[in-house]
Amino acid sequence: DSGVTQTPKHLITATGQRVTLRCSPRSGDLSVYWYQQSLDQGLQFLIQYYNGEERAKGNILERFSAQQFPDLHSELNLSSLELGDSALYFCASSEQPGLDYNEQFFGPGTRLTVL
Amino acid sequence: GENVEQHPSTLSVQEGDSAVIKCTYSDSASNYFPWYKQELGKRPQLIIDIRSNVGEKKDQRIAVTLNKTAKHFSLHITETQPEDSAVYFCAAYNTDKLIFGTGTRLQVFP
Repeated sequence: DSGVTQTPKHLITATGQRVTLRCSPRSGDLSVYWYQQSLDQGLQFLIQYYNGEERAKGNILERFSAQQFPDLHSELNLSSLELGDSALYFCASSEQPGLDYNEQFFGPGTRLTVL
Repeated sequence: GENVEQHPSTLSVQEGDSAVIKCTYSDSASNYFPWYKQELGKRPQLIIDIRSNVGEKKDQRIAVTLNKTAKHFSLHITETQPEDSAVYFCAAYNTDKLIFGTGTRLQVFP
């Protein structure tokens, strides 16, 4: 157990809908990262937050947004869902970002299925 | 931005043989290179890492080498066991972003 929690574990929804994925980082970690892993694909970095502020952005679609709250938990919002959005979404956390790497600890993931 | 290429995409070996997975990166500013193991349906877990000021690092049956000049790094697993079967991802870190390779599915046959 990495100490990072994600809810829900599974989510099944229809095209055009909107969902929210939730992540709680390890105690003491200030940075949260979101990744998307499609079937048989690698991990695509979506976005990073540090202490409530957006820190880095990857290949995140405009239909997707995220935020980090004062208690440091984060939510990833996916809207106007398409079939291709079906994937495993991972959240990871680390102590703080910077030039020197801090290990990222991954949560168990949320499996999103869009029908 | 950083781009990480990983080869091979699949690798099958006999138990006891060695396995080698190779990655190349594009941004010379990348300074940290972790390797993650992901079992089916589970979270990626860090198995070994190397920083840019080190050429080689070993941890029991696992070793990683880094060639900064050529911008490539490799994972070596010796005496493979069936429980080593998983997908392995390399990654390169550069100022807040961890960019992953596309993964290698390793199968170790008994």
